[in-house]
Amino acid sequence: DSGVTQTPKHLITATGQRVTLRCSPRSGDLSVYWYQQSLDQGLQFLIQYYNGEERAKGNILERFSAQQFPDLHSELNLSSLELGDSALYFCASSTGHHEKLFFGSGTQLSVL
Amino acid sequence: GESVGLHLPTLSVQEGDNSIINCAYSNSASDYFIWYKQESGKGPQFIIDIRSNMDKRQGQRVTVLLNKTVKHLSLQIAATQPGDSAVYFCAERWIQGAQKLVFGQGTRLTINP
Repeated sequence: DSGVTQTPKHLITATGQRVTLRCSPRSGDLSVYWYQQSLDQGLQFLIQYYNGEERAKGNILERFSAQQFPDLHSELNLSSLELGDSALYFCASSTGHHEKLFFGSGTQLSVL
Repeated sequence: GESVGLHLPTLSVQEGDNSIINCAYSNSASDYFIWYKQESGKGPQFIIDIRSNMDKRQGQRVTVLLNKTVKHLSLQIAATQPGDSAVYFCAERWIQGAQKLVFGQGTRLTINP
């Protein structure tokens, strides 16, 4: 168990809809990261938050947004969903920046 | 470089043998490298990391080697066990522009009994 908690484990929705993925980092970790894993693109970095502030941005679409709350949990919001958004979404946390990340077990998103 | 994995390289080894998983990284300026293991249905699990000022680091049954001259990283697993079956990813930390970890495509390790 990595100590990073993600909910829900599975999400099935339709095109055009909006969903929210939730992540609780390991106790004491200030950095939270979101990654997308798909068969054709592998693990892609989306965004990082550090202590409530956006720290780094990767290949995150404009339809996607994230935030980190004062209690350090984070949410990833995906809107106007398309079939191609179907993927595994991982949250990770760390004490430093992009170093020794601990990953949650992921949310499997299926857009039908 | 960025993950492109559509056809995942596969390595098959006999139980008890040593495994060597290789990774070519893309950015000569990367300052930190890390190996992850991902089992089916689970998130990536940290194995071992190494900074660019080192060329070797050992853990429990694992060793990471870094050759900056040819931008090559390898993970050696000693006395491979059935529980080692998984997909293994290397990642490099890009420090130019937005700092981020960039993952390789992964290698599937299969253990034969």
